[in-house]
Amino acid sequence: QKEVEQDPGPLSVPEGAIVSLNCTYSNSAFQYFMWYRQYSRKGPELLMYTYSSGNKEDGRFTAQVDKSSKYISLFIRDSQPSDSATYLCAMFGVKGGSEKLVFGKGTKLTVNP
Amino acid sequence: SAVISQKPSRDICQRGTSLTIQCQVDSQVTMMFWYRQQPGQSLTLIATANQGSEATYESGFVIDKFPISRPNLTFSTLTVSNMSPEDSSIYLCSVDAHLTSFITGDTQYFGPGTRLTVL
Repeated sequence: QKEVEQDPGPLSVPEGAIVSLNCTYSNSAFQYFMWYRQYSRKGPELLMYTYSSGNKEDGRFTAQVDKSSKYISLFIRDSQPSDSATYLCAMFGVKGGSEKLVFGKGTKLTVNP
Repeated sequence: SAVISQKPSRDICQRGTSLTIQCQVDSQVTMMFWYRQQPGQSLTLIATANQGSEATYESGFVIDKFPISRPNLTFSTLTVSNMSPEDSSIYLCSVDAHLTSFITGDTQYFGPGTRLTVL
């Protein structure tokens, strides 16, 4: 089982739709959970950062963490064409004896006007 | 926050040659990281470069292939040596969001990346 699993998509939705992006993980030592957004030909930018299980909301974006199920989600409400990007989940914790940031493969999202 | 620039933004190189990628940050930062992003693959950490010490390489990456310099708190270079087509990838530098702290590497700012194609 891979340490972080993320469906690469691609995912195509109409403007205004609710988008759900998900990642599962196997390493229970992960303590911090992040979502990065990467536009084409750009570097990843931090979108959401969570520490514990539960929900965190920022505008149209909600990050959800369920540590008991080792499952994290990112919800985008009222999606816009400008949300079209690749979304990378990332987790931070002990790996191989030291702390590391581990990324999923990313889900490519297209929001159609 | 920190603004990060990389040079070159892209390059096409011949097998057997070397390319040095530069990373410049607009703030002084303690921890800098170099990543590789291959198509369909996760962002993979190559090494961590802290000013004043040798870079720390991840499993599968060696200094002879990916030498790194970190001469000061705002600049670093990554060289991809003796390139083969398998080295074709996007190379990204990043900095710890805590800038001048050794606290963690949990949140990072990324540069725009260098897109390398090896023929």
